[in-house]
Amino acid sequence: EIVMTQSPATLSVSPGERATLSCRASQSVGSNLAWYQQKPGQAPRLLIYGASTRATGFPARFSGSGSGTEFTLTISSLQSEDFAVYYCQQYNNWFMYTFGQGTKLEIK
Amino acid sequence: QVQLVQSGAEVKKPGSSVKVSCKASGGTFIGYAISWVRQAPGQGLEWMGGIIPGIGTANYAQRFQGRVTITADESTSTAYMDLSSLRSEDTAVYYCARSGAAAGTFGYWGQGTLVSVSS
Repeated sequence: EIVMTQSPATLSVSPGERATLSCRASQSVGSNLAWYQQKPGQAPRLLIYGASTRATGFPARFSGSGSGTEFTLTISSLQSEDFAVYYCQQYNNWFMYTFGQGTKLEIK
Repeated sequence: QVQLVQSGAEVKKPGSSVKVSCKASGGTFIGYAISWVRQAPGQGLEWMGGIIPGIGTANYAQRFQGRVTITADESTSTAYMDLSSLRSEDTAVYYCARSGAAAGTFGYWGQGTLVSVSS
């Protein structure tokens, strides 16, 4: 099983500042990496797929990068609605998917 | 627009089974993978298994093998997740999710079903 490790567990950032979230895979997943945003009481929402392609509905301040085992989600200028929990997920092998444990992005 | 509507909350005794349904509408049911993902209170997301309606058999995460059964009824566009031998650690919100822009991702989610296991 591919283990996904996210860091940090909690990130405190002020509105308007940049946030950088990391995700590491225990073995290469190529570019088969997705990010999800989850707000309290809601289902997760697909944010990024293919490591760097933004899903419909998310603004350009969200960007993803990386390949292989190291990935980054960057939010360039945090807005109030961006404070949430973010999960990475690898889908390199069909029906053998795994998620990271999540990063909680909170207001500083 | 694809919508996934799940069955309601359940309260179960340890050792029993639960079956959660997920009815799809607004899109093609056959050929698009549906997975089940669970989230224990205050915890992260855990992929349990998935199925491609009309095409393949179900596949399960190793830790759930033998305890979970995922099926799909193409005639009603409904997927099911059956979890047996329930224990308190199975208390969680269970989501169904359909593949999104890229196969293997989850672009559409149900609203979640809370399953509580308590004696």
